[in-house]
Amino acid sequence: EAQVTQNPRYLITVTGKKLTVTCSQNMNHEYMSWYRQDPGLGLRQIYYSMNVEVTDKGDVPEGYKVSRKEKRNFPLILESPSPNQTSLYFCASSLGTLASGSGGTGELFFGEGSRLTVL
Amino acid sequence: KQEVTQIPAALSVPEGENLVLNCSFTDSAIYNLQWFRQDPGKGLTSLLLIQSSQREQTSGRLNASLDKSSGRSTLYIAASQPGDSATYLCAVNLRMTFGSGTQLTVLP
Repeated sequence: EAQVTQNPRYLITVTGKKLTVTCSQNMNHEYMSWYRQDPGLGLRQIYYSMNVEVTDKGDVPEGYKVSRKEKRNFPLILESPSPNQTSLYFCASSLGTLASGSGGTGELFFGEGSRLTVL
Repeated sequence: KQEVTQIPAALSVPEGENLVLNCSFTDSAIYNLQWFRQDPGKGLTSLLLIQSSQREQTSGRLNASLDKSSGRSTLYIAASQPGDSATYLCAVNLRMTFGSGTQLTVLP
């Protein structure tokens, strides 16, 4: 089944304790992205990756790191989590667009979300 | 910077009614526009994707239109059902700038 898988789905942690949220897709997608969703602020992009070893900042990258060593995986790393990073996090992927040369439509597929609480 | 606005923020309708959700964007140079549905605490489910060269897309009771020149898209839901109750989000381009969504409630 084609899917984007995030882990963990739920996590409660404490300030300063490093954590990683994993994201994996089995659709051979080039493009992957992380979003956070907060009440009243909607979905905001944290980081995105156009392909392996290519990552770039989104709108709210502060406090986060990512890596794209393999096509299928795009982990989100919080080196020193703080309470303002309490949020619902989504990973998404896409084959790409005609403009990017991938031949894809740009349709974005989302994971189920990871609810993170930082105490 | 692209900005996406969805109006209304919330909508409540009786079952069976046809309804229209609106999405507007400030930069008409888009690759595509995608409509999503989100149930409370859940992920986003893709409903329809409209390429910049297209005017509309249809799937079942859903029809989405795109007017790039005016920076607008609409999602038309025919014969609404209680199961359609959810938040509907639109987003533009590959990097996907999202609107804040319309929370739809269909009353039995």
